[in-house]
Amino acid sequence: AQTVTQSQPEMSVQEAETVTLSCTYDTSESNYYLFWYKQPPSRQMILVIRQEAYKQQNATENRFSVNFQKAAKSFSLKISDSQLGDTAMYFCAFMKRPGYGKLTFGTGTRLTIIP
Amino acid sequence: NAGVTQTPKFQVLKTGQSMTLQCAQDMNHNSMYWYRQDPGMGLRLIYYSASEGTTDKGEVPNGYNVSRLNKREFSLRLESAAPSQTSVYFCASSEILYGQGDTDTQYFGPGTRLTVL
Repeated sequence: AQTVTQSQPEMSVQEAETVTLSCTYDTSESNYYLFWYKQPPSRQMILVIRQEAYKQQNATENRFSVNFQKAAKSFSLKISDSQLGDTAMYFCAFMKRPGYGKLTFGTGTRLTIIP
Repeated sequence: NAGVTQTPKFQVLKTGQSMTLQCAQDMNHNSMYWYRQDPGMGLRLIYYSASEGTTDKGEVPNGYNVSRLNKREFSLRLESAAPSQTSVYFCASSEILYGQGDTDTQYFGPGTRLTVL
């Protein structure tokens, strides 16, 4: 079975600084997807970024980027120029192959941006 | 385009009562999912439906039933609620777009906070 581990239950950073959230996973699959979801206080789950395992290039979405290390089974999220609106729970999620559908989530990291 | 909608937003039940959580999506997605979110445990899959007419158990199906009413709607039923089912419930949908970049991404509804006394 796949497992996803987020070892940082809580983090805080000053506004405009850069912060990196960690995620590791365990799988024997080779062609899988990884996701970061954001859950602000409104409780809505919002997709931040996704990464296909077959792609060597790290995904980037504006201020959000990932560091995908396939051999190390590591998938960290970097938030640059952090903003107050980035305050949220962040969940790392794994899908074991395209079309499988089901996601396995980590336990989340609560990120607070300090003004 | 509302995306994924869920009703109700909040619900309080007494132990043994039954209720149905409703979910609908307007994105023409084939696949739909029900998750529960408990403190410190992330989201766990209860049931999913890969396509209209099919349903399968996820990680924590005990105490729940589902119905895929049509392509748009996927309901979750608690037949006899228990305090252990106190949680936030999320519905999600997804679609596989073969040959395109953004495939199989799940989009979530706003959630239902359920308390069982």
